[in-house]
Amino acid sequence: SAVISQKPSRDICQRGTSLTIQCQVDSQVTMMFWYRQQPGQSLTLIATANQGSEATYESGFVIDKFPISRPNLTFSTLTVSNMSPEDSSIYLCSVADRAKNIQYFGAGTRLSVL
Amino acid sequence: GQQLNQSPQSMFIQEGEDVSMNCTSSSIFNTWLWYKQEPGEGPVLLIALYKAGELTSNGRLTAQFGITRKDSFLNISASIPSDVGIYFCAGIYPYTGANSKLTFGKGITLSVRP
Repeated sequence: SAVISQKPSRDICQRGTSLTIQCQVDSQVTMMFWYRQQPGQSLTLIATANQGSEATYESGFVIDKFPISRPNLTFSTLTVSNMSPEDSSIYLCSVADRAKNIQYFGAGTRLSVL
Repeated sequence: GQQLNQSPQSMFIQEGEDVSMNCTSSSIFNTWLWYKQEPGEGPVLLIALYKAGELTSNGRLTAQFGITRKDSFLNISASIPSDVGIYFCAGIYPYTGANSKLTFGKGITLSVRP
């Protein structure tokens, strides 16, 4: 399975600021995803990070709020912009093993917005 | 959209007991996945199921892909304290090969009393 590293592991941010989360994979992968897990909740897909093109966002998520970069096949970033307390969540990146039709997850970034 | 139902939200068992969890949907899935999430970590894949009726084991864990393709079951035998965590089911449908999105259940929090 792929080894996925996320940075930072946690952060406490002020309202109105932005935070960029990094996701690094130890091998080249075609598909990377970003999820949000609100406190005590399940995982919700934010977007698919596409290498070389704009990310594909799910309903309820927009690029202005969650800009995503995918400069190569091993790295992606998610920015949470103009944060409010409602953005306090765990943000997780995942990579797909298309041959096995499964996804592996990073440890997540635990974000608290004051 | 597709939804996966997991209940109850929490389960409390005694160490050494067996426990069974199920996951149901009104939609057909062609891949079922079971993940475990521990505090401070991302979800870790436990078992993947690909065919209706498939029964797969991973140590003390056994999972089955329901015949109707609308449900899946996870059994944990002889539970131990380290089984504590949140167990999520996830389904993939449709499999397009290009963008296999996961739909997650709400998760079941398992507590094991020593």
